[in-house]
Amino acid sequence: KAGVTQTPRYLIKTRGQQVTLSCSPISGHRSVSWYQQTPGQGLQFLFEYFSETQRNKGNFPGRFSGRQFSNSRSEMNVSTLELGDSALYLCASSPWSIGKVTEAFFGQGTRLTVV
Amino acid sequence: GQNIDQPTEMTATEGAIVQINCTYQTSGFNGLFWYQQHAGEAPTFLSYNVLDGLEEKGRFSSFLSRSKGYSYLLLKELQMKDSASYLCASVDSNYQLIWGAGTKLIIKP
Repeated sequence: KAGVTQTPRYLIKTRGQQVTLSCSPISGHRSVSWYQQTPGQGLQFLFEYFSETQRNKGNFPGRFSGRQFSNSRSEMNVSTLELGDSALYLCASSPWSIGKVTEAFFGQGTRLTVV
Repeated sequence: GQNIDQPTEMTATEGAIVQINCTYQTSGFNGLFWYQQHAGEAPTFLSYNVLDGLEEKGRFSSFLSRSKGYSYLLLKELQMKDSASYLCASVDSNYQLIWGAGTKLIIKP
């Protein structure tokens, strides 16, 4: 079974630009979550999608957005990039369903550097 | 508010035992996860506890006390490959994972 695939693995962008990151979940998983990981803050939850609907959202500004497609693949977009957006962005998929606790499977992440 | 606390960094010696603590305050509780993350790699699942007590899985054990909002991960017979960050995550009433910042474990020979 293929794991969670994130593309690209590395990205360098300039302040003010926008970026789109992609995540392909494990086949059959309908829940996809996005996290920002920085050395000081640890894993910070961005948002979660289930069946193309945003189920939960973290405390990030509106510059951070996401979506999920009918095949469960997900994208996240960051507009007007700031230096502080430099981080590892992790995607996790799970076979989550209502009222069920499930393990999250992580991708390798996209390391975004904003210069 | 929701909060997960764990030590930032710990150091231990190869062959020894180390205990990594995690305290949590979340709105509702549906269990607690431990994940391991090697530098530059994805976090991987170690354990899940929802009932009080100790669960053993080889060299790794995880303990939960719901009344105290407390968990720990116990690593025995430490090996150099155990050098990694260990992430604790509580599952809240909305079945959302609330993550701690992680504990970086350094193993010395």
